[in-house]
Amino acid sequence: SAVISQKPSRDICQRGTSLTIQCQVDSQVTMMFWYRQQPGQSLTLIATANQGSEATYESGFVIDKFPISRPNLTFSTLTVSNMSPEDSSIYLCSVEQENTGELFFGEGSRLTVL
Amino acid sequence: GDSVTQMEGPVTLSEEAFLTINCTYTATGYPSLFWYVQYPGEGLQLLLKATKADDKGSNKGFEATYRKETTSFHLEKGSVQVSDSAVYFCALGGGYQKVTFGTGTKLQVIP
Repeated sequence: SAVISQKPSRDICQRGTSLTIQCQVDSQVTMMFWYRQQPGQSLTLIATANQGSEATYESGFVIDKFPISRPNLTFSTLTVSNMSPEDSSIYLCSVEQENTGELFFGEGSRLTVL
Repeated sequence: GDSVTQMEGPVTLSEEAFLTINCTYTATGYPSLFWYVQYPGEGLQLLLKATKADDKGSNKGFEATYRKETTSFHLEKGSVQVSDSAVYFCALGGGYQKVTFGTGTKLQVIP
């Protein structure tokens, strides 16, 4: 199993600003995943972050809007840039138990954009 | 592509009632199947899983059987408690496949 810590746990942001979410894992992992969960919705994968290479973004998500860093095997950040109210969501960091599909999640970062 | 279809919620049950949350899937290959649970204000956590056809996953009184012939993975519990109130997500993936989630089913158990 893996223990994942995210911060901030919640924040209220102004339109047009950017916010960086941090994700720390208690063990080294190859891939880290960033998901978005909009109010009352399921999880949507934003991107997969590999250490030492650029993140792989899913359809509908772009690096300019959601830049990701992955400086080492235990840490990643997701930035939500130039925020609008439509970005109000829970953002979840996740890692996979190697190739099993079993995911471990952080508690999420709940962003509200005014 | 792969997809997961869950019954829509919310589902409201009285304590000690029987629970079924339906989940069907379409997939290429032979993915693993999962149920995740999200308690209020928390992140998702794995509830149970099954890795191949006819496997039964179980945990905390919940069960689900991987039915290849009906492409289903329905979640069941014989007697729900108020503490089971949460959102339940069916998912598939594994073996280098991206994990695909269903839309989630909110369960509310009333005393």
